[in-house]
Amino acid sequence: SYVLTQPPSVSVAPGKTARITCEENNIGRKSVHWHQQKPGQAPVLVVYDDSDRPSGIPERFSGSNSGNTATLTISRVEAGDEADYYCQVWDSGSDQVVFGGGTKLTVL
Amino acid sequence: QVQLVESGGDLVKPGGSLRLSCEATGLTFSRSYMSWIRQAPGKGLEWISYITDSSRYRYHADSVKGRFTISRDNAKNSVFLQMNSLRVEDTGVYYCAYGPVPCGGDCYYIANWGQGTPVTVSS
Repeated sequence: SYVLTQPPSVSVAPGKTARITCEENNIGRKSVHWHQQKPGQAPVLVVYDDSDRPSGIPERFSGSNSGNTATLTISRVEAGDEADYYCQVWDSGSDQVVFGGGTKLTVL
Repeated sequence: QVQLVESGGDLVKPGGSLRLSCEATGLTFSRSYMSWIRQAPGKGLEWISYITDSSRYRYHADSVKGRFTISRDNAKNSVFLQMNSLRVEDTGVYYCAYGPVPCGGDCYYIANWGQGTPVTVSS
């Protein structure tokens, strides 16, 4: 089964670019999705199918996926982007949804 | 827009039972796969169950298999989670979610989340 590895934490200054990774062997062959969870709130989908954004999600959020690493990139980071971010894939072998362990983004 | 409203969370003793409900609006419910996902205090997200649109297939994570059962009532736009033989480690917030939603080939994602309902298992 899939085990998606994310760094526990990432820190970035306001206005800079944050990159959050999600690693698994050959994850580039999968479609990766990203969910944002602000403190005390439910998660929200911010990127799906590697790089597509649901309506209402700012263009500052983008995604890429190749080889063994998928990346969520947040440009021009704002204080309001401080949250936990989770990657997610579909494991077709077991017909299950799989989440990464989550990354806490801190805006300095 | 899609709205998911959970209910039924409570404080229950180990070994007890609980039934969670989720009412959905803003989507064609009878054609939608639905999931339950939980989050233990201070921990990450754990998918635990999903059900296909017609209830033909139901999947449960190994951690809850044999104890939890997902079901749905398309006439009421509702999905349920029957939780039996509850353990302390089942404590957490339980989210109802729209998905997995297909996006082509081997691509499925969780599209929308409810606000969650808290479950506490403690003596």
